[in-house]
Amino acid sequence: GIQVEQSPPDLILQEGANSTLRCNFSDSVNNLQWFHQNPWGQLINLFYIPSGTKQNGRLSATTVATERYSLLYISSSQTTDSGVYFCAVERPALIFGKGTTLSVSS
Amino acid sequence: DSGVTQTPKHLITATGQRVTLRCSPRSGDLSVYWYQQSLDQGLQFLIQYYNGEERAKGNILERFSAQQFPDLHSELNLSSLELGDSALYFCASSVDGTSGVQYFGAGTRLSVL
Repeated sequence: GIQVEQSPPDLILQEGANSTLRCNFSDSVNNLQWFHQNPWGQLINLFYIPSGTKQNGRLSATTVATERYSLLYISSSQTTDSGVYFCAVERPALIFGKGTTLSVSS
Repeated sequence: DSGVTQTPKHLITATGQRVTLRCSPRSGDLSVYWYQQSLDQGLQFLIQYYNGEERAKGNILERFSAQQFPDLHSELNLSSLELGDSALYFCASSVDGTSGVQYFGAGTRLSVL
């Protein structure tokens, strides 16, 4: 089956720093979603991005489907950005990567 | 708020027991998905329903079953529970069953003691 790999597995930042999270997938996909799982366990939709670039406030995402990867950019990070970030590819059920755990300290 | 409602939020039970998890999809969504999140397996797809019919199966154990009712709510039944079934169970919904954004409920945290 399709493999979804995320890097880095862990990221520690100071408030205000920028970061880039990467998601590689091993086969062509219909669509890709990015999620943030907050410390209470809730999965929050960030982006639905089969290709191209989207921006939402301090967050943006780019998917290059032909090269089978997606990037999530977080600028001017805040402590509330802490949590686990997942990418998931649509098959059509979602296949998740193992996530990137982000810790932002003040 | 995603619009997907899951009950209960927490469930504590004993090995060998049976539990039922409930999910109400977003208004207008016809497809429901169940996912399990555990420490060792991560987030994995269990089963999908579309308009009352099973559409796809993932890594769902034979001890687990699900259904989607005419009002489109879904239930996931877990029986003969084992310690390893302790996990966070999510329900997600989407407009159709082939493509589109999946919105997740807050999850049911199951603890098997």
